[in-house]
Amino acid sequence: GEDVEQSLFLSVREGDSSVINCTYTDSSSTYLYWYKQEPGAGLQLLTYIFSNMDMKQDQRLTVLLNKKDKHLSLRIADTQTGDSAIYFCAERSFSGGYNKLIFGAGTRLAVHP
Amino acid sequence: KAGVTQTPRYLIKTRGQQVTLSCSPISGHRSVSWYQQTPGQGLQFLFEYFSETQRNKGNFPGRFSGRQFSNSRSEMNVSTLELGDSALYLCASSLAGREMGGYTFGSGTRLTVV
Repeated sequence: GEDVEQSLFLSVREGDSSVINCTYTDSSSTYLYWYKQEPGAGLQLLTYIFSNMDMKQDQRLTVLLNKKDKHLSLRIADTQTGDSAIYFCAERSFSGGYNKLIFGAGTRLAVHP
Repeated sequence: KAGVTQTPRYLIKTRGQQVTLSCSPISGHRSVSWYQQTPGQGLQFLFEYFSETQRNKGNFPGRFSGRQFSNSRSEMNVSTLELGDSALYLCASSLAGREMGGYTFGSGTRLTVV
């Protein structure tokens, strides 16, 4: 079946690195995504990785993909208070011939001074 | 370029009523997907429209329906509202739904059923 799991909460000190982890079950997923949601807002696409890649770096963001273990992580370097939000991992599932996103429950990141 | 526009932003309805939500995708995008977000169930896929045709549907009752117009704008309708339909409804647009990259989401419509 299709399932994406994330830890629910992460607290870090400002300036430290944050690492948010995610596991997924659909081995046929072609793309995996990280979205950010701030209070009262929609989902903001942060980054994505194609399933044949191991790593992708985009400024302060680093995505690591272990396809064998179906494990995805998002590392945020030099975490700032503005990074406080809920982070969703999602896999693009190819179901019934067309794509849809399967989301994890979201990890709430709290950044404290 | 303008992002994904969802209207209205907030809505309060009574049980048993029906509601229509609107989504205007990014110009040139032909695929519109709808998702429901609740504290209990998280983000769940409702349906996807492409070129005025529904081509994928999630596991929701028939009370949830949608359509897409020739200009790619989409509406979703929920009939006979239940308290459990209270949620943030998010719309996402993409060029064709299969291309590289992610989907761009709107800010959502927050529906409260009382």
